[in-house]
This record gives sequence, C-alpha cells and structure tokens, in this order.
Amino acid sequence: AQSVSQHNHHVILSEAASLELGCNYSYGGTVNLFWYVQYPGQHLQLLLKYFSGDPLVKGIKGFEAEFIKSKFSFNLRKPSVQWSDTAEYFCAVSSLNTDKLIFGTGTRLQVFP
Amino acid sequence: GAVVSQHPSWVICKSGTSVKIECRSLDFQATTMFWYRQFPKQSLMLMATSNEGSKATYEQGVEKDKFLINHASLTLSTLTVTSAHPEDSSFYICSAQGGSTEAFFGQGTRLTVV
Repeated sequence: AQSVSQHNHHVILSEAASLELGCNYSYGGTVNLFWYVQYPGQHLQLLLKYFSGDPLVKGIKGFEAEFIKSKFSFNLRKPSVQWSDTAEYFCAVSSLNTDKLIFGTGTRLQVFP
Repeated sequence: GAVVSQHPSWVICKSGTSVKIECRSLDFQATTMFWYRQFPKQSLMLMATSNEGSKATYEQGVEKDKFLINHASLTLSTLTVTSAHPEDSSFYICSAQGGSTEAFFGQGTRLTVV
C-alpha cells in the first residue's frame, strides 16, 4: 500500500531563513506528487505538483520541490521564508491509475518576524 | 482556482443523532468527490470516493452504513454520519475534481459529538 512520510512535524524559522521540508513515499509504481498548504482558517491549496518531466518543479509563492526517484523523495524548498508562509504543509501522492490522494501527516511551519 | 464550499464549518450534535455535511463545487462540475477524515496531528485519511450518479467506493475499514455518501449531482455530495458517537468527533474534509487532475478542497467541518 502507498504511504507518505513527513518527518518534520513542526518547524520554526525566522524570516529570511531557508526552508526544506522532507517528504518520502513508498510505492513501487509511477506516482504523481503534490504539496498542499493550509493557511490558518483556510482551505487546503495546491502549492505545486509533479507528474512527469523536469524533476525540479516550481510552484506558487516561490516554493519549489525536487523529485528524486532513487530516494522516493519529494522535498519542498524555499530559499527565504516570510511570516506569511506560516501554515501547515502536506505532501501527497497518487498513483497513475487513480485520483486518490494519500497524504502525509503534515508539517506545521511557524515563521517569526 | 476553483471553489469548493463545505457546510457547516462546525457542528455539535448529541450522541445517537445523525449529521449531514454538504460539499458543493461552486464554479465547476465535479465528476468525482472525495471525503477525508483528519484526526488531531494526523494525516488526512481518505474515507471514500464518490462519482456522480453511482455508489461511493469506501476505503478499507470505513463503515458504509455509518458514513452515508450521496453524490446526486455534479455539484453536490453529502456525507451523513448516522447514529453519531463521540469517537466520530473529527475534522471532515471534502475535495472535488472535474476534468483536470487537480483536486480542490473544502474548508472542512469540525464535528463534535457529545
């Protein structure tokens, strides 16, 4: 069965610090990969997604993620975080033959000015 | 992006009663809707997938008689928690998908059963 691991449960950073959130998945086949963000009191929103092609994916608000197939990883990065990036971040996976998303446990990011 | 509205945002009900949660796609036709449950500090757990006009497909371990899902139109799916008990208290989230592969999420419903 598919599973997704996010090892960082809670990350605290100062503004302008660099961010990297880990995401590893377990699935033997081809997958689609996603990062979602949930700002306080708001819906889950798609940050970026990888289906195929360039493994370095750029998303909204300066986020990017790199798919490393050999490591089954899809880590999220941002070179310089802002206070407004404070939110919960979820990594998710779906296989090619289904639209079902399997989510990681989420990482709570707090950015202090 | 597309908008998915979930109602109510929160509900408190007595043990033994039933609660209905609505999920509407406001500006697109949702051929598929998903229902998730999220426990504190845990992942979103997929409960079921519903396609318009057909019976929902439930994930293993989810009681279909307890969590009734209806997807009667391309813009509305409902989840009814029947004979609710305190252990059903949770955060329920729906997502909707139209022609594209991107899923759009509702804001969630906090259910508390007392």
